[in-house]
Amino acid sequence: EVQLVESGGGLVKPGGSLRLSCAASGFSLSRLSVNWVRQAPGKGLEWVASISSRSSYIYYTDSVKGRFTVSRDDAKNSVYLQMNSLRAEDSAVYYCATTSPFIYYAMDVWGQGTTVTVSS
Amino acid sequence: EILLTQSPGTLSLSPGERATLSCRVSEGISSSHLAWYQQRPGQAPRLVIYAASSRATGIPDRFSGSGSGTDFTLSISRLEPEDFAVYYCQQYGGSPPWTFGQGTQVEIK
Repeated sequence: EVQLVESGGGLVKPGGSLRLSCAASGFSLSRLSVNWVRQAPGKGLEWVASISSRSSYIYYTDSVKGRFTVSRDDAKNSVYLQMNSLRAEDSAVYYCATTSPFIYYAMDVWGQGTTVTVSS
Repeated sequence: EILLTQSPGTLSLSPGERATLSCRVSEGISSSHLAWYQQRPGQAPRLVIYAASSRATGIPDRFSGSGSGTDFTLSISRLEPEDFAVYYCQQYGGSPPWTFGQGTQVEIK
């Protein structure tokens, strides 16, 4: 079965750090771009970061630049989101999602999400 | 940043009725770079339409997408109970950020 599984979420104090993982099974991530998308409680979807194959291109939304770092380990078939200097407004469900050139880079495979809560 | 505005915010319809959802983009984009996602409560988003009019794998043919430039539409010809959900449009062309609309909730009347 093709799936993505996120992990690493939890409760953290403002200013703290978390590392999210996105592990793929049933397919290889190596040739795919992977995105992180978040959804604050009761709100819509917000694209956060993207990493292309071979880490050739890495992009972030402005609000997380300098605080979040996306990386990948193709040997482990996984992508990571290192989140530092966390703020209350970073509280959300974080999803990873792949894009494929075969569907014009829309996000076709999504994980179930992991919840990050930033609170004192 | 390209902004996407979806309308209406909420659509109240009965099963069997037709739903028409709109997504207006702040500047013209290629049709290849517009997608629609469905999100049911407590679930991850699911790709419904990519490249403005192509159905994703496993999506029934009652779903259709159309549009170009700045105006795009998602239509559901006959609503089934499982179609009641929130729908988001997204643009993913050119330079980031790749933005989503605020969503349209399709609810049972």
